[in-house]
Amino acid sequence: QITLKESGPTLVKPTQTLTLTCSFSGFSLTTRGLGVGWIRQAPGKALEWLALIYWDDDKRYSPFLKSRLTITKDASKNEVVLRMTNMDPVDTATYYCALTDEAFDVWGQGTMVTVSS
Amino acid sequence: QSGLTQPPSVSGAPGQRVTIYCTGSSSNIGTGYDVHWYQQLPGTAPKLLIYDNSNRPSGVPDRFSGSKSGASASLAITGLQAEDEGDYYCQAYDIGLSGVIFGGGTKLTVL
Repeated sequence: QITLKESGPTLVKPTQTLTLTCSFSGFSLTTRGLGVGWIRQAPGKALEWLALIYWDDDKRYSPFLKSRLTITKDASKNEVVLRMTNMDPVDTATYYCALTDEAFDVWGQGTMVTVSS
Repeated sequence: QSGLTQPPSVSGAPGQRVTIYCTGSSSNIGTGYDVHWYQQLPGTAPKLLIYDNSNRPSGVPDRFSGSKSGASASLAITGLQAEDEGDYYCQAYDIGLSGVIFGGGTKLTVL
């Protein structure tokens, strides 16, 4: 059974850096073709893709947020980490990680992050 | 931000059929990239409903079907049930953005 779970702070202050961890089981990020992505959803809004990292360490970022994002993986620990700098109240959202080969096949439950002073 | 266009809402009575359209462009669906659909029930995470335009993951009822033509795709739901009420999103890859794009989502209401 494949599971993913997001963890990180629920509250961050404006200008701070957000660090989220996606811990997963049931698959290996050393498997050819697999990747883990991050997607967020502001309250009442649509899904917004943020970043992807693949088994071979290929990384892709949303061009709208690229300057603020860093995605890394530790395949031995079954973890993917997303860092987002210079947080702003508009970044308040539920952040999801998901397994991908083409589509986002399995999603985590999401973690709500509020940006407020 | 550019993306895929979906109607904000659709509705139908129990047992009826509804179709949700997803319109893209020559930089995404129209250039051959596959379309995937997700269902998000109230208060829950999205779930993959249709992948690669028309394929259902294991466990998804055959009431749900997808198709693609040109720069557009559609999701059809037959035999509407109350538990189908929620938000539906299409997703594809965009060569111009070199990344993933989602539609704006469609809220399905079962009357």
